Amino acid sequence: AQTVTQSQPEMSVQEAETVTLSCTYDTSESDYYLFWYKQPPSRQMILVIRQEAYKQQNATENRFSVNFQKAAKSFSLKISDSQLGDAAMYFCAYRSGANSKLTFGKGITLSVRP
Amino acid sequence: KAGVTQTPRYLIKTRGQQVTLSCSPISGHRSVSWYQQTPGQGLQFLFEYFSETQRNKGNFPGRFSGRQFSNSRSEMNVSTLELGDSALYLCASSLDPRPMNTEAFFGQGTRLTVV
Repeated sequence: AQTVTQSQPEMSVQEAETVTLSCTYDTSESDYYLFWYKQPPSRQMILVIRQEAYKQQNATENRFSVNFQKAAKSFSLKISDSQLGDAAMYFCAYRSGANSKLTFGKGITLSVRP
Repeated sequence: KAGVTQTPRYLIKTRGQQVTLSCSPISGHRSVSWYQQTPGQGLQFLFEYFSETQRNKGNFPGRFSGRQFSNSRSEMNVSTLELGDSALYLCASSLDPRPMNTEAFFGQGTRLTVV
């Protein structure tokens, strides 16, 4: 079975600074997708960024980028120029190529200091 | 385009009762998945429906069931409620489970409290 581990329960960053959220996963599959979701106080899960396992290039979406280390099974999220609106819970998620089920990590609460 | 709509937003039930939660996916989306979110267990997959058929099921007891209608709307039912069923129930819709990089869009969830 696949597992996703987010070992840091909380992190804090100064506004305009950069922060990196860590995630590791375990799988024996070669075809899979990785995601970072944001859950603000409104509770609605919002997709931040996704990475296909077969792509070597790290995904980037504006201020958000990932460091995908396939051999190490590591998938960290870097948020540059942090903004107050980035404060939320962030979940790392795994999706197998064999089905549509998302396996989530425990999440990390990010706070942004003004 | 309307997003994923879950009703009701909040629900309080008594132990032993049953409850039905509803999810209307984004128009055109045919896949609907359900997740349970609790502080202790985090987000856990319940089941996924596509074209009125359950395609995948998580590790939950038989008290948890679901269905999908021809218009892709989905309901989940929990019978004989237990205190531990108190959770945020999230629904996600996507165009199709395949290809696998299809984005899942989530609703705002139904907060169920069992007393």
